[in-house]
Amino acid sequence: SQTIHQWPATLVQPVGSPLSLECTVEGTSNPNLYWYRQAAGRGLQLLFYSIGIDQISSEVPQNLSASRPQDRQFILSSKKLLLSDSGFYLCAWSAYSNQPQHFGDGTRLSIL
Amino acid sequence: ELKVEQNPLFLSMQEGKNYTIYCNYSTTSDRLYWYRQDPGKSLESLFVLLSNGAVKQEGRLMASLDTKARLSTLHITAAVHDLSATYFCAESGGSNYKLTFGKGTLLTVNP
Repeated sequence: SQTIHQWPATLVQPVGSPLSLECTVEGTSNPNLYWYRQAAGRGLQLLFYSIGIDQISSEVPQNLSASRPQDRQFILSSKKLLLSDSGFYLCAWSAYSNQPQHFGDGTRLSIL
Repeated sequence: ELKVEQNPLFLSMQEGKNYTIYCNYSTTSDRLYWYRQDPGKSLESLFVLLSNGAVKQEGRLMASLDTKARLSTLHITAAVHDLSATYFCAESGGSNYKLTFGKGTLLTVNP
């Protein structure tokens, strides 16, 4: 069966520090991969999605970037975090276009 | 721009009662998804609706899709406390890859 792993679960970072969040999927090949952000009490905002290695689409201009160095690995990064980057970051994967997206457990990021 | 609107955004109901959450979307897509999110947790897929008239049921929850009206409903029957969560609908807007989520409906079931 397929599983998705996301880490860390919780992260507290100072403003201006770098960020690296990792997500890996097991049990499937060539998944579509996604990064979402959920601000407190709000809906999900799609940040990036990827349909293949080194194929990244950005949905929202910001100081975040994403990379997919391997088929089942998706990384969310920032060189300098802003206060507004706080939130709950969720990684997700899907197999085919009409299949649901399956979410990781999320990373709760607090910027101080 | 694809819009997905849920209502109500907040719903407080008593155990044993029935209620419906509505999800309106702005495109002609025929794919609609419902998710559940418990407080502080991730999202769990509930239903996938892939055609006009599709109806799916799981326990006390039933989801339906009317693509002509661009409307999906999530009906709750005889609510129990364990159903308390935030429910999201999401729609693909014709994209093979992306979903647009509604703002979510925070459901609280009171004993």
